[in-house]
Amino acid sequence: EDQVTQSPEALRLQEGESSSLNCSYTVSGLRGLFWYRQDPGKGPEFLFTLYSAGEEKEKERLKATLTKKESFLHITAPKPEDSATYLCAVGDQKLVFGQGTRLTINP
Amino acid sequence: NAGVMQNPRHLVRRRGQEARLRCSPMKGHSHVYWYRQLPEEGLKFMVYLQKENIIDESGMPKERFSAEFPKEGPSILRIQQVVRGDSAAYFCASSPPGLAGRNEQFFGPGTRLTVL
Repeated sequence: EDQVTQSPEALRLQEGESSSLNCSYTVSGLRGLFWYRQDPGKGPEFLFTLYSAGEEKEKERLKATLTKKESFLHITAPKPEDSATYLCAVGDQKLVFGQGTRLTINP
Repeated sequence: NAGVMQNPRHLVRRRGQEARLRCSPMKGHSHVYWYRQLPEEGLKFMVYLQKENIIDESGMPKERFSAEFPKEGPSILRIQQVVRGDSAAYFCASSPPGLAGRNEQFFGPGTRLTVL
């Protein structure tokens, strides 16, 4: 059974302070690793899909990387509007989600 | 290009009543997925449907829950005889036709069900 563990559970940063979120996974065969952002009271917003170890994708201040065991979401010089819960998931039609990392960026 | 639409956004039911949640996928998408997010818990897969077919319902509770995606109209998640434990946010997602696993799922805003 696929499993996803995200760390830390919560992270507070000052504006401009770069950091990384971790997503460790256990799968029988990786069919895709997905990153989403979720704001309070809203649905998850798609960010990235990664399919193979070594793959990297970037969007504005976010960069996602993938190894055979884990994925990192790197946040460079974050702004308060980057505050949200970041979710990691694995699978194909049946996504298995981690518990998420609650990120707070203080001005 | 409208995203995934869900209604109602908030639904209040008393124990024993029925809840019907509707989902209209993004234009051009023929795959629909339902997930549930219980308070303080992560998103859990419930069911995957294509038009007129249930493909994977491995996450659906065995009783009281059913889902459909008819040829015409939205996908419906139906919960009969609701109990307090059904209170949660229910999210629908859709993806375009093609090889599953190579298409991202796009989520709607969710329906927040409260059972009194």
